Amino acid sequence: AQSVTQPDIHITVSEGASLELRCNYSYGATPYLFWYVQSPGQGLQLLLKYFSGDTLVQGIKGFEAEFKRSQSSFNLRKPSVHWSDAAEYFCAVGGGSQGNLIFGKGTKLSVKP
Amino acid sequence: DGGITQSPKYLFRKEGQNVTLSCEQNLNHDAMYWYRQDPGQGLRLIYYSQIVNDFQKGDIAEGYSVSREKKESFPLTVTSAQKNPTAFYLCASRSRDRDNEQFFGPGTRLTVL
Repeated sequence: AQSVTQPDIHITVSEGASLELRCNYSYGATPYLFWYVQSPGQGLQLLLKYFSGDTLVQGIKGFEAEFKRSQSSFNLRKPSVHWSDAAEYFCAVGGGSQGNLIFGKGTKLSVKP
Repeated sequence: DGGITQSPKYLFRKEGQNVTLSCEQNLNHDAMYWYRQDPGQGLRLIYYSQIVNDFQKGDIAEGYSVSREKKESFPLTVTSAQKNPTAFYLCASRSRDRDNEQFFGPGTRLTVL
């Protein structure tokens, strides 16, 4: 079955510290992978995406993610977190002509001053 | 500016009433989607439409209905058959030229009184 697992429900980091949010997926074909961010009461904004090519992808707001096929992972990283990064982060996987995405349950990020 | 609009932002409904959530996009996207979001549950697909006058059920379609009479519009009706309709509803759209990347509206929070 196709699925996305985000093992961490809630993470707290100090401002200026590094961040890694984990994402593991199960998908039968070559996956299209996404990270979205959501501020409270808002819609989702795309941070970055991976379709093919270089397995390290750069996104907006200083985020990057690395696709590791052998580990079925697509972890999101940021070298130095800012207070404005506090939000909920969703990993998603998709593919095929229907274009449907399967979302993880999200990781809520809190940032300590 | 192109984008997706959802209205209203907040909606209150009495039990037994049907309500319709609006979703409009001016991105010229072919595909549109409705998701339901509950705390800790991620996004769950309700309905999707790849072209005008055609739509398919997602994972949790019971108690919901949609129409796609125009490319720009994909309204969602929450019927009285939906047992637990209080949730945050997100509409999204996708262009065939952008692979599986979905663009999201700001959401509608529905509360049943």
